Amino acid sequence: TQMTQSPSSLSASVGDRVTISCQASQDIGNFLAWYQHKPGKAPKLLISDASELESGVSSRFSGSGSGTFFIFTISSLQPEDIATYYCQQFDNVPSLTFGGGTKVEIK
Amino acid sequence: EVQLEQSGAEVKARGQSLKISCKASGFDFSNSWIAWVRQTPGKGLEWMGSIYPGDSETTYSLSFRGLVTISADKSIRTAYLQWSSLKASDTAIYYCSRQLSSYLDVWGEGTTVIVSS
Repeated sequence: TQMTQSPSSLSASVGDRVTISCQASQDIGNFLAWYQHKPGKAPKLLISDASELESGVSSRFSGSGSGTFFIFTISSLQPEDIATYYCQQFDNVPSLTFGGGTKVEIK
Repeated sequence: EVQLEQSGAEVKARGQSLKISCKASGFDFSNSWIAWVRQTPGKGLEWMGSIYPGDSETTYSLSFRGLVTISADKSIRTAYLQWSSLKASDTAIYYCSRQLSSYLDVWGEGTTVIVSS
């Protein structure tokens, strides 16, 4: 299964609502995760099962979707949210595929 | 505390072999899948493969099959990623991660590998 993530980069102002999409080449149900990756740090799991927020993760982050189309949202962009965000699917455990990533910057 | 401690940065010449490690603590290593993920500036994150240390069952991404070997020693709770002959294109940061169900919930800090030509 291929994952097409868009946009590849975006620039937004502090407080803006930011959305990232991920499209799967075939139906993956809700088997999708979102990660945040900051330079020099390990990636961090934010959302699993398309919409389940991981413990301790800010409620600014949310996910939705099922089947082939998924959305990741930051409700109010903060300076600490600057990072690259990736979607990740699995359709044949333990085979995994990441989207191409979205680099989020502050305008 | 659940942790994955990775070995330090490596600088190698093209054609050399290399084995990097990932030591686990704080969880049942033998009964968990451990994944390896490559990060490159041009391609982002790429899943390379995973191993189940309990029986050493291993699965590889088609992109990496035959290019690397994933192994584990459950007696010392350590997973490995190795190359027999490095290429310049292997220059990257390599992460190990615990694969919980089908997500990667705990990550090591990464091992930087630089291959000079």
